[in-house]
Amino acid sequence: KNQVEQSPQSLIILEGKNCTLQCNYTVSPFSNLRWYKQDTGRGPVSLTIMTFSENTKSNGRYTATLDADTKQSSLHITASQLSDSASYICVVSRYNTDKLIFGTGTRLQVFP
Amino acid sequence: EPEVTQTPSHQVTQMGQEVILRCVPISNHLYFYWYRQILGQKVEFLVSFYNNEISEKSEIFDDQFSVERPDGSNFTLKIRSTKLEDSAMYFCASSEMTGDTEAFFGQGTRLTVV
Repeated sequence: KNQVEQSPQSLIILEGKNCTLQCNYTVSPFSNLRWYKQDTGRGPVSLTIMTFSENTKSNGRYTATLDADTKQSSLHITASQLSDSASYICVVSRYNTDKLIFGTGTRLQVFP
Repeated sequence: EPEVTQTPSHQVTQMGQEVILRCVPISNHLYFYWYRQILGQKVEFLVSFYNNEISEKSEIFDDQFSVERPDGSNFTLKIRSTKLEDSAMYFCASSEMTGDTEAFFGQGTRLTVV
């Protein structure tokens, strides 16, 4: 079954610290993997998109990695800020379909 | 910066009533989508739309649902006879192309069926 699992479910860190979020997927055939940030009650906002041939991509303080062989991805956030508090969702796309398959997300809270 | 806009932000309706959720995609985008998120659950794909027709739909998108692009700018989702379980946040999204292209999401419409 095509699924996307994320860990941890929730995470609390202090401002300025780094953190890493994990994503495992069973989606096949694979097309691309995306990380989205979703503030409470708002729409998801894209952070990165990676295809099969890419194993790392950065967007400011966000760095995503992809291991297509083990079907794992991570999102590393450097020097966290209070505004990073949100849900981070791993999303995978299957080849030749329009449908995005969402994970349940990691709820990140950054405290001062 | 261009954005996807959705109206209304919140809609309350009685069970059995019809609702229409409205979206204005980004102007040069060709692919349009509806997703929904039941409270506390993951975002789920409903339907994709390209060239004035549905290109893909999920099992959730049954005969109670329909989509339309009534003019050059709006993209609507209609639920003909709402059920309690239709209560969710509905997100519209659009993209220039399909495949590896970024999809931009609107802020969502919170639908509450009472």
